Amino acid sequence: GENVEQHPSTLSVQEGDSAVIKCTYSDSASNYFPWYKQELGKRPQLIIDIRSNVGEKKDQRIAVTLNKTAKHFSLHITETQPEDSAVYFCAASNFFQKLVFGTGTRLLVSP
Amino acid sequence: SQTIHQWPATLVQPVGSPLSLECTVEGTSNPNLYWYRQAAGRGLQLLFYSVGIGQISSEVPQNLSASRPQDRQFILSSKKLLLSDSGFYLCASYSGQGDEQFFGPGTRLTVL
Repeated sequence: GENVEQHPSTLSVQEGDSAVIKCTYSDSASNYFPWYKQELGKRPQLIIDIRSNVGEKKDQRIAVTLNKTAKHFSLHITETQPEDSAVYFCAASNFFQKLVFGTGTRLLVSP
Repeated sequence: SQTIHQWPATLVQPVGSPLSLECTVEGTSNPNLYWYRQAAGRGLQLLFYSVGIGQISSEVPQNLSASRPQDRQFILSSKKLLLSDSGFYLCASYSGQGDEQFFGPGTRLTVL
């Protein structure tokens, strides 16, 4: 089955810096790659996603890149703000939209 | 858009007691439904998914079971809880329109 690895587990940046979180997946049949943000005690919220027929997608300060050949995808957050502090999860799915999640990255943005 | 309800929001149960968590979905028909568990400080693990009434697929062997008695109702159960069943249980729904899988607010279960 699918296996998703996520790095780093924690990431501390200064406000205004960029943050990059990387994930790799194992199943070449996976075709949908969402990123979720989870604040303490809350449900995960989708922040951006990408399908396998696209190499890059951007939404304001957030972008995701996908390299199908290498089976890895990354989340890029520019001009980070303290409210970006949360745990971020990547995921991969192919059939029946069954999401396999990475282990999460705790992002801390210091003012 | 979809709205997912879960109850209870929090639950404290003794080891060996039964469990029933309920999830209902509004705003869509015939969704795929999912149960995930998140242990403290960890990622989300898919437990069960369902593509229709009475159709349940289990992803990991465990002490839990799931049922889907109605199109927009998904229930997670256990006959005897274990300490390791503690965690944050999330129900999710996928309508097949677009890509997004929506999560419910979750149930925080503590087994003592």
